[in-house]
Amino acid sequence: AQTVTQSQPEMSVQEAETVTLSCTYDTSESDYYLFWYKQPPSRQMILVIRQEAYKQQNATENRFSVNFQKAAKSFSLKISDSQLGDAAMYFCALKTSYDKVIFGPGTSLSVIP
Amino acid sequence: DAGVIQSPRHEVTEMGQEVTLRCKPISGHDYLFWYRQTMMRGLELLIYFNNNVPIDDSGMPEDRFSAKMPNASFSTLKIQPSEPRDSAVYFCASSSDRVKGYTFGSGTRLTVV
Repeated sequence: AQTVTQSQPEMSVQEAETVTLSCTYDTSESDYYLFWYKQPPSRQMILVIRQEAYKQQNATENRFSVNFQKAAKSFSLKISDSQLGDAAMYFCALKTSYDKVIFGPGTSLSVIP
Repeated sequence: DAGVIQSPRHEVTEMGQEVTLRCKPISGHDYLFWYRQTMMRGLELLIYFNNNVPIDDSGMPEDRFSAKMPNASFSTLKIQPSEPRDSAVYFCASSSDRVKGYTFGSGTRLTVV
């Protein structure tokens, strides 16, 4: 069975600082994809970043980057230069050979001005 | 592109009534997913379609729930009869590529009283 765990229900960060959100997952497959989604108070789910398991290079999207540790089954999200608009729920997600995506329980991020 | 369009945005209904949620996926996307989000259970996949055909409905909670996709541009999720425990946010998402993430709609907040 595939599982996704996010051990930090809530996090906070000072504006302009850096924060890292943790995610661990479990799958027996070797080919899979990992995602981070953001859900602001508007409740819209927004894809932040995507990582292919076969790629060793960590994905980056502007201020967002990941630390993908395949052996440890860890996939953390780093947000640099945090902005007030980054305040949201963040969901880690796993997609294996099946077409459905499994989501973690989420981490609520607050940004302190 | 207008994105994934869901209607209604909010729905309040009385227990026992029939509820129909609607979704228009992004044109050209051949995968469509229905998710339910609650505080207790997080994001749960209910059912997904590929080329209008239901592929996996193992997440549908019970026979009161049904979903259809009569054509590539429209899908419905129906609850009959509705119960208070069905209160949740229901998301529709679509995808054009098995390896990419989903594009979500804005969700329908359902309240059953």
